[in-house]
Amino acid sequence: KQEVTQIPAALSVPEGENLVLNCSFTDSAIYNLQWFRQDPGKGLTSLLLIQSSQREQTSGRLNASLDKSSGRSTLYIAASQPGDSATYLCAVTSGTYKYIFGTGTRLKVLA
Amino acid sequence: DAGVIQSPRHEVTEMGQEVTLRCKPISGHNSLFWYRQTMMRGLELLIYFNNNVPIDDSGMPEDRFSAKMPNASFSTLKIQPSEPRDSAVYFCASSLGTGGGDQPQHFGDGTRLSIL
Repeated sequence: KQEVTQIPAALSVPEGENLVLNCSFTDSAIYNLQWFRQDPGKGLTSLLLIQSSQREQTSGRLNASLDKSSGRSTLYIAASQPGDSATYLCAVTSGTYKYIFGTGTRLKVLA
Repeated sequence: DAGVIQSPRHEVTEMGQEVTLRCKPISGHNSLFWYRQTMMRGLELLIYFNNNVPIDDSGMPEDRFSAKMPNASFSTLKIQPSEPRDSAVYFCASSLGTGGGDQPQHFGDGTRLSIL
């Protein structure tokens, strides 16, 4: 049974720092992995989707990498800003519609 | 463009009452998902529709839960009778394609449900 874990559960950093969020999954037979952002009282916003054949995806200050064989993905945020404060979730799918979500990392960027 | 629209945003009701949550997916999307989010269990898929047809309802916790999608632009999730343990945030999401993971899912802002 696929399990997705995110470490750390919470993170607080000063503005301007580069930071890395981690996601690990137990079954490497995934189809794709997606990173989401969730603001308080809001739904999830898709940030990056990485197909299993890809190693990384970039969007602006965000870079997500995928190492399928080791069951790991990282989300790198460059030059963090207070507006980046949110909960970040990763989710994996084996090719069906069914995403398994991680527990999330709650990020706070201090001004 | 309008995203996924859910109503109501908040619902507080007493145990035993019927609760109906509503969702309008993004126009043109043919896959629709209902999720439940709690602190204890995180985000769980309740039911998945494709082209208005329920494909997988294995996540629906009990017979008290039911979902319908009468047309491509509307879906409901109903709980009858409601219980305190149903308190959670319920999300609706939609996507293009067959839901095979090739397209990102777009989430609504959720309905925060409290059963007293």
